[in-house]
Amino acid sequence: DQQVKQNSPSLSVQEGRISILNCDYTNSMFDYFLWYKKYPAEGPTFLISISSIKDKNEDGRFTVFLNKSAKHLSLHIVPSQPGDSAVYFCAARGALDYKLSFGAGTTVTVRA
Amino acid sequence: EPEVTQTPSHQVTQMGQEVILRCVPISNHLYFYWYRQILGQKVEFLVSFYNNEISEKSEIFDDQFSVERPDGSNFTLKIRSTKLEDSAMYFCASSKTGVEQFFGPGTRLTVL
Repeated sequence: DQQVKQNSPSLSVQEGRISILNCDYTNSMFDYFLWYKKYPAEGPTFLISISSIKDKNEDGRFTVFLNKSAKHLSLHIVPSQPGDSAVYFCAARGALDYKLSFGAGTTVTVRA
Repeated sequence: EPEVTQTPSHQVTQMGQEVILRCVPISNHLYFYWYRQILGQKVEFLVSFYNNEISEKSEIFDDQFSVERPDGSNFTLKIRSTKLEDSAMYFCASSKTGVEQFFGPGTRLTVL
């Protein structure tokens, strides 16, 4: 399943700076996009979502941007904190089947 | 804060044996899901359940798999005759609206 792609397997960022995670998708029938954070040996934790009819959604330090024409979304984390070190998954929900399709994940390391 | 719980955290079984993975979704949620993640691969959708019936299933979810909501709180995944390739982390998720899905900590299934 290559419908959701996260092309950067890892990202290293200094504490206090911005983390930008990218995600691309191919299926025009996705209606919601979600970001999850995952620590080892735990389940994915929901962070933020965005409807396909919006282009931005913000929640505290997390902002998601959607560029529908480019089929691209990004997650901005500002400022980055050491506790943000985790794997981040982009996911997209099918408008007809409600199932989530996940990207492969990006491992974020926040350096002190 | 309410959360999805899963038991057991780790299940070891012999090939050909039946296993039942258990989940307690968040109490006022209406949509229930199972996903799995084989080591080194993406999180992949197995099945969704709504209004006491399967609403969607993937091609992975063949006759060896079944789901049940035996009472008002539990949601189970049964694998009738396990195969080596069923070894994975199995995640249960639930959702109130069908958009944001909240995941449990997972059950690590090891088939020997």
